[in-house]
Amino acid sequence: EPEVTQTPSHQVTQMGQEVILRCVPISNHLYFYWYRQILGQKVEFLVSFYNNEISEKSEIFDDQFSVERPDGSNFTLKIRSTKLEDSAMYFCASTPQGLNTEAFFGQGTRLTVV
Amino acid sequence: SQQGEEDPQALSIQEGENATMNCSYKTSINNLQWYRQNSGRGLVHLILIRSNEREKHSGRLRVTLDTSKKSSSLLITASRAADTASYFCATDGSNFGNEKLTFGTGTRLTIIP
Repeated sequence: EPEVTQTPSHQVTQMGQEVILRCVPISNHLYFYWYRQILGQKVEFLVSFYNNEISEKSEIFDDQFSVERPDGSNFTLKIRSTKLEDSAMYFCASTPQGLNTEAFFGQGTRLTVV
Repeated sequence: SQQGEEDPQALSIQEGENATMNCSYKTSINNLQWYRQNSGRGLVHLILIRSNEREKHSGRLRVTLDTSKKSSSLLITASRAADTASYFCATDGSNFGNEKLTFGTGTRLTIIP
């Protein structure tokens, strides 16, 4: 069964460092998303991406965040200068036709900023 | 309350019993989805119910949707130890171009063998 894959599964980084979280969405999907979940809290929307551009972003997704689809398969989330409060589980998701269909989520990348 | 509030926050039942979780939301929706999350793992899609549907079944899962009350329920019948997880509802917005899911706070379900 096709699945969304994320790498790495766990990343530890120093405060102020840049991190890139990687995702490979399901191959025929057109809509891509990043969400995050701070430990013990609800899953929060960060950004949606369609047709090579951001279609919606949340207040969390400030200038420190960026997304890119550098080739036909990868979808990345970059945090330019990490803060302690960026520590969270980051989930990538994809759908074939927006949110009229189920969203498939990856297993997540646990980011720890020290 | 916030968009997507589940209750109860935690539920413990004996294996074999039925588990019911509820979700309330505030804005109009196109559809509502339920997800399961095992501890520290990813989100697994369970079921999607559209705003014009009232009930949907998938195996041991039964979901209802009442758009007049802005609420949904997830029933798991004949629970198993493997059902132990957190369960979240997620809603999209009814506005065109609203491309985000808003998740609830989740219900932590524990099945006691």
